[in-house]
Amino acid sequence: GAVVSQHPSRVICKSGTSVKIECRSLDFQATTMFWYRQFPKQSLMLMATSNEGSKATYEQGVEKDKFLINHASLTLSTLTVTSAHPEDSSFYICSALTGGGYGYTFGSGTRLTVV
Amino acid sequence: ILNVEQSPQSLHVQEGDSTNFTCSFPSSNFYALHWYRWETAKSPEALFVMTLNGDEKKKGRISATLNTKEGYSYLYIKGSQPEDSATYLCAAAGGTSYGKLTFGQGTILTVHP
Repeated sequence: GAVVSQHPSRVICKSGTSVKIECRSLDFQATTMFWYRQFPKQSLMLMATSNEGSKATYEQGVEKDKFLINHASLTLSTLTVTSAHPEDSSFYICSALTGGGYGYTFGSGTRLTVV
Repeated sequence: ILNVEQSPQSLHVQEGDSTNFTCSFPSSNFYALHWYRWETAKSPEALFVMTLNGDEKKKGRISATLNTKEGYSYLYIKGSQPEDSATYLCAAAGGTSYGKLTFGQGTILTVHP
């Protein structure tokens, strides 16, 4: 079946630095990738939707200059958290549209801690 | 934005028990309802996608039903096993077939041997 590889699984960074999270589709072409984050005891919340070769669409309240999304190829999408602050500490997870209008395949997530 | 709610938040059962949990969602502008099984440190695993009122899906000991008129879905696990322990997520999609998923908070199931 379809697999999305996400890394790193965990990252600790200093406040003010940038962190890049990668999601790769291993055996299919991911035209559309969704990025979610999850704060403790809350549900997965959609941050943005990216389509290969075009600019990402951000959800209301998500700063596009802070969360840079690049989807330059059909197998790779990246999320860069720029100038990270402790309040950006969260669980980030990607999901690719697998096909047929119904299937979504998830990465395994990244736990970001900003100290 | 859809409001998706799951209950209970957590559930402890004994091995062999059957159990069920609920996902409720707005019935208007509904397209699809997804169920996922999510084990710690792994990717959420797709269980079911349902779109039509009255849909029933089954996968081994796990089954799900959908009522789009009243806005709820049930997930059933028959004869729970310790390996069924996981977080079960539901997500609703509205609008187009490539619509965004709105997730509930999940139900954490623990099956005790």
